[in-house]
Amino acid sequence: EAQVTQNPRYLITVTGKKLTVTCSQNMNHEYMSWYRQDPGLGLRQIYYSMNVEVTDKGDVPEGYKVSRKEKRNFPLILESPSPNQTSLYFCASSSWGLAGMTQYFGPGTRLLVL
Amino acid sequence: DQQVKQNSPSLSVQEGRISILNCDYTNSMFDYFLWYKKYPAEGPTFLISISSIKDKNEDGRFTVFLNKSAKHLSLHIVPSQPGDSAVYFCAATNSGGSNYKLTFGKGTLLTVNP
Repeated sequence: EAQVTQNPRYLITVTGKKLTVTCSQNMNHEYMSWYRQDPGLGLRQIYYSMNVEVTDKGDVPEGYKVSRKEKRNFPLILESPSPNQTSLYFCASSSWGLAGMTQYFGPGTRLLVL
Repeated sequence: DQQVKQNSPSLSVQEGRISILNCDYTNSMFDYFLWYKKYPAEGPTFLISISSIKDKNEDGRFTVFLNKSAKHLSLHIVPSQPGDSAVYFCAATNSGGSNYKLTFGKGTLLTVNP
């Protein structure tokens, strides 16, 4: 079954305490990305990766880091979380094929930064 | 500048009737469009897509129409069912771009009343 998994699903932390949200996909997709969803703002892309060791900024990258050491994993790192990073985060993996673009999303990670 | 706009934050329809969700875009480089459905506490799930070489794509109860000259697309759900109640996101991308970035609208909450 095609799947994108994220962990943890829920996280409460305090300002400045480093955290990592993991993301893994089992579809051998080259492209992965992170989004955040905020009320009234929809989904905004944070970072994306075209392949192993290839990452780039999306629309709202400030305060985040990512790494892509393996094709299946794309962790999101908050080195010093702040309250404005309280949000719902989604990881996604994508490919283009004959049927067009396929993008699968993970179940989401709800983060609260106090 | 919002490149993908869903101007109706919410829509309410009766079961069995047609639901029409609208989406406008401003970036003329967008040539591939997708609709996603999102239930609370879940990640977005892909519904249907359309390439700019087409003006209509149909999949069961879901049909997407694209009017390139007006930079407008719409999702029709016929007949609407209570299980269709969810937030619907329109997304757009440039298939010839260097990445698979999706630009999302803010979403429309569809409520289908029994």
